[in-house]
Amino acid sequence: DTGVSQDPRHKITKRGQNVTFRCDPISEHNRLYWYRQTLGQGPEFLTYFQNEAQLEKSRLLSDRFSAERPKGSFSTLEIQRTEQGDSAMYLCASSLVNYEQYFGPGTRLTVT
Amino acid sequence: RKEVEQDPGPFNVPEGATVAFNCTYSNSASQSFFWYRQDCRKEPKLLMSVYSSGNEDGRFTAQLNRASQYISLLIRDSKLSDSATYLCVVNLEYGNKLVFGAGTILRVKS
Repeated sequence: DTGVSQDPRHKITKRGQNVTFRCDPISEHNRLYWYRQTLGQGPEFLTYFQNEAQLEKSRLLSDRFSAERPKGSFSTLEIQRTEQGDSAMYLCASSLVNYEQYFGPGTRLTVT
Repeated sequence: RKEVEQDPGPFNVPEGATVAFNCTYSNSASQSFFWYRQDCRKEPKLLMSVYSSGNEDGRFTAQLNRASQYISLLIRDSKLSDSATYLCVVNLEYGNKLVFGAGTILRVKS
């Protein structure tokens, strides 16, 4: 499968713990995006990278959230001191510059 | 006001019916427009891009009215497999962040 992959697919964690998610984009895509989706809503933009540079961050991305794409390939999204309100599906997408975005299967986070 | 607004539905239609979804967007500077389809607990998948001249892909037709800031999707001859949530999506600058509507639920019944 040459699509966008995400790991893990599901994560259950206790409030206050840190979690890290990984996204592997389609190999030739230089743009990588993170979105968050809660039940009954469309995905909301969090941040995006072009190669290794983080070009935009949403106001939704509080200081507990950090994203990296160190070598311009895979990306990680870390949430520190998780809260119940962080429970959501975290979606990664990739694209070539000025082309359509393709989404991975998402990581479903449940904070108990 | 939300940046992208859609009727949440659900639209319950019989197989073979024609159904239309509408969407409005608030930012007149929006540059590109899409419809994505999302099945329950799955990721959004690109259904089609939407162009000012209108475009068709099989049973699906999309229209864009920039003056009214309005996007539509028409599905003809609905199939059971069309049951999904349809997300209206815009972005301000092609290739940058996507702004999604909350989605319209379609249920096609036999």
